[in-house]
Amino acid sequence: GENVEQHPSTLSVQEGDSAVIKCTYSDSASNYFPWYKQELGKRPQLIIDIRSNVGEKKDQRIAVTLNKTAKHFSLHITETQPEDSAVYFCAARPGGSYIPTFGRGTSLIVHP
Amino acid sequence: SAVISQKPSRDICQRGTSLTIQCQVDSQVTMMFWYRQQPGQSLTLIATANQGSEATYESGFVIDKFPISRPNLTFSTLTVSNMSPEDSSIYLCSVEGSDSYNEQFFGPGTRLTVL
Repeated sequence: GENVEQHPSTLSVQEGDSAVIKCTYSDSASNYFPWYKQELGKRPQLIIDIRSNVGEKKDQRIAVTLNKTAKHFSLHITETQPEDSAVYFCAARPGGSYIPTFGRGTSLIVHP
Repeated sequence: SAVISQKPSRDICQRGTSLTIQCQVDSQVTMMFWYRQQPGQSLTLIATANQGSEATYESGFVIDKFPISRPNLTFSTLTVSNMSPEDSSIYLCSVEGSDSYNEQFFGPGTRLTVL
């Protein structure tokens, strides 16, 4: 089955800095890669996703890149703000499956 | 995106008892999913529930411990049976979105503490 590795487990940045979270996946058949943000005590919320036919997608301060050859994808957050502090989960879903495999999560701390 | 509600939002239970968690969606969905999130951990799929058929359980989860009902296209329940402190977790239901790529959306979760 699919295996998703996520790094780093904890990321601490100063407000205004950029943050990058990286994930690798094992199943070359995976074609959908969502990212979720989970604030303390809240549900995971989908913040951005990318399909396998796209190399990059951007939404305001967040962007995701996908390298299918290397089987890795990354979340980029620019101009970080304290409200970006949360746990971020990447996931990969193989074609033909409705079930994504989640990474272990990255705790992002943005210091004011 | 679908609006998902769960009951209860939290509970504290004694070991050996059972708790049934309800998940209600504001639109009809084919597939509903139940996840467990242990403290500080990632999301682990317990089972997939389709209306009109038995739930499909992931490795490590069994029907006797986590019976699931799916009586219609907007509702599902998960029961945590014969609880032990190791069952203390957040339990989340999830549904697919309606677009062609079927993003998953999560309910608010049920925080369970077993004493």
